[in-house]
Amino acid sequence: EAGVTQSPTHLIKTRGQQATLRCSPISGHTSVYWYQQALGLGLQFLLWYDEGEERNRGNFPPRFSGRQFPNYSSELNVNALELEDSALYLCASSLAPTGSGTDTQYFGPGTRLTVL
Amino acid sequence: QKEVEQDPGPLSVPEGAIVSLNCTYSNSAFQYFMWYRQYSRKGPELLMYTYSSGNKEDGRFTAQVDKSSKYISLFIRDSQPSDSATYLCAMGTASKLTFGTGTRLQVTL
Repeated sequence: EAGVTQSPTHLIKTRGQQATLRCSPISGHTSVYWYQQALGLGLQFLLWYDEGEERNRGNFPPRFSGRQFPNYSSELNVNALELEDSALYLCASSLAPTGSGTDTQYFGPGTRLTVL
Repeated sequence: QKEVEQDPGPLSVPEGAIVSLNCTYSNSAFQYFMWYRQYSRKGPELLMYTYSSGNKEDGRFTAQVDKSSKYISLFIRDSQPSDSATYLCAMGTASKLTFGTGTRLQVTL
C-alpha cells in the first residue's frame, strides 16, 4: 500500500512569491492535515481537511490556505512568502478524524520550502 | 507558556541502556497521547497511542500517561543504534494534535 506522498520534495522561492505544495493521502483516507516544522519549533498545526471541508485551522495568517479535492488529495498555498516561512511542510492523512478510533495520522516525507 | 513542553536534548546513551523521554502539558482538554519517531529527512511515524492514564507496552517501548500530573513518558528498553532519531510527543483533542518540539536521541555503540 502506498503511503502519503508529497510534491515537490524541495521548493525554492523568493520573498513575496507564492508557493503551492501538494499531498496525496493513503488510499481510503479522507482526512488530511498540514503541519509546519521549522527549526527548533517542532510541528505546528496548520490546517485540517476532511471530506473536502476545512475543519480546523492553526494559528497562522490567512496567507496560508489550502483545499481538498474530491479525490481527497490536498494542496497548501502560501502567498506573499516571508523568510520565516522556510521550513519543512508535512502532510498527514488518517482514515477518520482524530478521536474517532481509526484516526492514526500517517505522515508523508515533507516538502522542504526555502524562501530567499 | 507552551501547551506542550519537551526537552530538545540531545540525549546520548550507550547501546542497551534504558531511555526515558518525557513531556509535560498544560491543557487539560487533551484526551489522546502519542509518541512519534522521526528519522532525519523523513516524516514522523507513530510509535505509541493511548487514551488513558497508565502504562501501555509494545515490545521494547512503554508509554506512560499521568493525567493528574499532566506528564507523559516513553521508555525504550535495550536501546539500539537504530533507535537514534528524534522522538516527538503529541497530544490531541477531537480537532487537532499538538506536538512537542522533539527530543533528539543518539544511541552509541
